[in-house]
Amino acid sequence: DTEVTQTPKHLVMGMTNKKSLKCEQHMGHRAMYWYKQKAKKPPELMFVYSYEKLSINESVPSRFSPECPNSSLLNLHLHALQPEDSALYLCASSQDALYTDTQYFGPGTRLTVL
Amino acid sequence: GQQVMQIPQYQHVQEGEDFTTYCNSSTTLSNIQWYKQRPGGHPVFLIQLVKSGEVKKQKRLTFQFGEAKKNSSLHITATQTTDVGTYFCAGSRGNEKLTFGTGTRLTIIP
Repeated sequence: DTEVTQTPKHLVMGMTNKKSLKCEQHMGHRAMYWYKQKAKKPPELMFVYSYEKLSINESVPSRFSPECPNSSLLNLHLHALQPEDSALYLCASSQDALYTDTQYFGPGTRLTVL
Repeated sequence: GQQVMQIPQYQHVQEGEDFTTYCNSSTTLSNIQWYKQRPGGHPVFLIQLVKSGEVKKQKRLTFQFGEAKKNSSLHITATQTTDVGTYFCAGSRGNEKLTFGTGTRLTIIP
């Protein structure tokens, strides 16, 4: 199984809402990532978890809060977002948090903030 | 910080023509990866290159890593409609994060 799953596929939320994005992988990977991708742009790294610990936070605003409940799951909690946060949010995983490792991406959650 | 540029930004080719995208880094890389993202899809890993001057082939796709490990290319021979998408290179230097290139969007004219 080389699949990374993400839910929901689409999400529309107001600026005062609280919502969560979920990501799951069953490949035994020890590193998981959150990326943000705007239209016609490359993915931008947000967070990296390695062995369930947050290892990288790319200066992401606190309205995005990641969580790694166990080695297979990764959440991204959203609160008080801005319209400019609308984007495709991609989860990825790799064997380890080595940047030579292949990253497997999930299908993404397309987020619209009204 | 590390910058990875790709040219061209867009490429429209007639089906059956060849296509090449070039990836250039501002710094020497330890490895380069290539990903393909179909319209409405997510990035899918294609290949990784780690050695200076390395050339790898996957059917109609040929990947090269430059001698100085600062540039790379992806060449597709005889494009097909299934090749449509955006091709990203992504490089890292040592223990630094993977930096994605700006991408080349390929469209095919049937």
